[in-house]
Amino acid sequence: EVQLLESGGGLVQPGGSLRLSCAASGFTFSSYAMSWVRQAPGKGLKWVSGISTSGTGTYYADSVKGRFTISRDNSKNTLYLQMNSLRAEDTAVYYCARPMTTVTDDALDIWGQGTMVTVSS
Amino acid sequence: SYELTQPLSVSVALGQTARITCGGNNIGSKNVHWYQQKPGQAPVLVIYRDSNRPSGIPERFSGSNSGNMATLTISRAQAGDEADYYCQVWDSSTASSYVFGTGTKVTVL
Repeated sequence: EVQLLESGGGLVQPGGSLRLSCAASGFTFSSYAMSWVRQAPGKGLKWVSGISTSGTGTYYADSVKGRFTISRDNSKNTLYLQMNSLRAEDTAVYYCARPMTTVTDDALDIWGQGTMVTVSS
Repeated sequence: SYELTQPLSVSVALGQTARITCGGNNIGSKNVHWYQQKPGQAPVLVIYRDSNRPSGIPERFSGSNSGNMATLTISRAQAGDEADYYCQVWDSSTASSYVFGTGTKVTVL
């Protein structure tokens, strides 16, 4: 079964750091670009960051550029999101997602269950 | 940056047809995807590349895209269709990124 499982969320103080992980199974992880998408409480979906298959290409929303770093370990079938200098507005459920084909910009058909990040003092 | 605009809410009577619009500059030149999200759950892809249904999605869901507007149509609406719906495109104009619409709450009466 194709599956994504996020972990690493929790409560962190403003200015703090957190690293999210997304464990992939049931498909050839190294063949797919991957993305992180977040959803603040009661709000809509927002794309956060994306990464190419090899990890050499990384992309960020303006709101997180310079604070978040996306990476991947294809040997461990795992996607990461290192979040630094966290702000209250980063509070959200964070999903990792996979496109339906190996084409980078295709629809996202596989989503994890999400992990909650709360930034508060 | 590219923006996608959706109505905040759409109401539809049970068994009738709901249409959810997604407006964007020359969106007809892009591939549009649609997601359904129920409370407490991850999004589910219901239409990809304008008008294609993934396996397991009922034929009642259909999509179209032309000019400055894409549309998701739900025919013979059921109570289980009540959810938030989001359109999405890939924006390569200013930066390589996914862009989501503002989201539409569909209520089945």
